[in-house]
This record gives sequence, C-alpha cells and structure tokens, in this order.
Amino acid sequence: QVQLVQSGAEVTKPGASVKVSCKASGYTFTGCYIHWVRQAPGQGLEWMGRINPNSGGTNYAQKFQGRVTMTRDTSISTAYMELSRLRSDDTAVYYCARDGLTSSFDYWGQGTLVTVSS
Amino acid sequence: SYELTQPPSVSVSPGQTASITCSGDKLGDKYACWYQQKPGQSPVLVIYQDTKRPSGIPERFSGSNSGNTATLTISGTQAMDEADYYCQAWDSSHVVFGGGTKLTVL
Repeated sequence: QVQLVQSGAEVTKPGASVKVSCKASGYTFTGCYIHWVRQAPGQGLEWMGRINPNSGGTNYAQKFQGRVTMTRDTSISTAYMELSRLRSDDTAVYYCARDGLTSSFDYWGQGTLVTVSS
Repeated sequence: SYELTQPPSVSVSPGQTASITCSGDKLGDKYACWYQQKPGQSPVLVIYQDTKRPSGIPERFSGSNSGNTATLTISGTQAMDEADYYCQAWDSSHVVFGGGTKLTVL
C-alpha cells in the first residue's frame, strides 16, 4: 500500500533552517510528483511547491521563492523540503503529498510539526 | 494570483444535505478537488476531477463544477462528516487551496 512517512517534529530558532523528509513506499517513487503543503496552527492549507522525483525539477510558490529548496534521493525513495531563514510565523505542520496524476493529492504524509521559537 | 473563496462555516442537521461552495474566476474551466480534514489528522481526498470519488469514499459525497463555482455536496450527512473541507485547483503550474469551510453537523 502507498505510504508517505515523514520525519519527526522539529524545534528550531529564528534565522535557522529546517529540513523535513518524506519517505515513499508502495509505488514507483519516480512516477508521481511530491508536493509540500503547510498548515499553521488553526489556519488553512498552504501550498509550498512540488518536485518531480524523476527529473528533480521543481516549482515553488512565489511566497517561498528564495527560502525553500525541494530535493529528492531516488535511491531511498525520499523527498526533502528545506526552509531557511525561519521566522516565528513559519511554525506549522508541514505535509508531503503525492500527486496521483489526477491533479489532486491522493496520499498524504502524517505531517511534521516545525516550531520556530527563540 | 488566483484565489479560491469558500464560506468559513456551514451547518447542517443530521440526515440532511450539505453544500459547500468554492468560487474562483472561470473555475469551471479547471479541475476542482476537495479534501476533508478532521482535527489532528492529515487531509483526505474526497472528490477529484470535479466529480470523481476515490475508492473508499462514501457515495453520499458528490461534486460539481461549472462557471465560477465548484460545489461539494454531502447527502444524508452524518455526524462523522463534521470536519474542515478544502477545495483545490491548479493555476498554471501552481496549486491553490480555498480557505476552508468548517462543516458542523447539529
């Protein structure tokens, strides 16, 4: 069965960087885009960008351009999202999600809580 | 940038029909999909490509999309359907979410 398993919660300081991983299993990793979506406490879903695991090509939301980097390691079927120059308002749950070739996200990771606090 | 607008909240009595709208410029020309999210859980896809239900999603969930509005309809709403619902569409190579609608079953 398809699974996306994310790395554990992080507590970090303003100005630092965080890197979240998303390990895929149960399907051909290079066959589907991986997207990253975040959700601040009590707020809605916010799309951050996507990566093509086959080519490594990325698209980022304008809001995060220059601060986010999405990468992948096909040898271990894992995607990564690194966000730099963290601020307190980056505190959120970060999700990875699979684009199942239907213009929608059919599988989601369990979420990773990133807390930015001095 | 492209925006999708949802009502913040919708209330429905058990057994009745709930309708949640999602508005965007010429949204009917794009595919819309819908996610259900319960507290502390990851979102779950309930409708994709306007009208299609993923495997395992009850038949009481249905969708439509025309003009500037996509609609998620839940027929015979049950208490377990109480959740936040988000619409989503694509704008060029970027994804856009609606602000979310809290469905209350009372």
